Amino acid sequence: LAKTTQPISMDSYEGQEVNITCSHNNIATNDYITWYQQFPSQGPRFIIQGYKTKVTNEVASLFIPADRKSSTLSLPRVSLSDTAVYYCLVVNQAGTALIFGKGTTLSVSS
Amino acid sequence: DAGITQSPRHKVTETGTPVTLRCHQTENHRYMYWYRQDPGHGLRLIHYSYGVKDTDKGEVSDGYSVSRSKTEDFLLTLESATSSQTSVYFCAISPTGTGMGTEAFFGQGTRLTVV
Repeated sequence: LAKTTQPISMDSYEGQEVNITCSHNNIATNDYITWYQQFPSQGPRFIIQGYKTKVTNEVASLFIPADRKSSTLSLPRVSLSDTAVYYCLVVNQAGTALIFGKGTTLSVSS
Repeated sequence: DAGITQSPRHKVTETGTPVTLRCHQTENHRYMYWYRQDPGHGLRLIHYSYGVKDTDKGEVSDGYSVSRSKTEDFLLTLESATSSQTSVYFCAISPTGTGMGTEAFFGQGTRLTVV
């Protein structure tokens, strides 16, 4: 599976839009991108996934350029409760298990 | 929330003793996973199961064994606990592995301390 690189940490203020970029230069044709969120003392939970272009749900948007070598998770108007670790994963359609990196720790302040 | 229950939620044990952690699901999902999470390492896969009696090793399987005799239960055993196995352990379930459109659901975690 393609290795992912994302910032270790990011800081933001309430009400701002936060964009977390993940690099996955060696992504394969059958791979797609998935993001998970983990709050302190909880297990990770699924946020969003996509293969190309843009995907939006009630929580976030995911932007994937045509070359698919990177992706950007966009969180609109963050609040204090969005403080969490965000994991970018490259997953194979025929895979069996999620392999996590170290994620990006997002800290939102008032 | 997905029906996943980890037990115990907290445990303190002595070095050299056997420890078994239990993951119970009510979703009838095929795949079950055990991860450990340590500061500076993120989540690392220990073992996973793709069906009753079907298991495979993950990234950090040394010192751990698993069993799945029923769809709903996945047990993680530390045969002889060591201090390096002090960690937070998460169980996860998934209906179809990592296929597109599939999401994994995680339990609340078990905090294990080996003294």
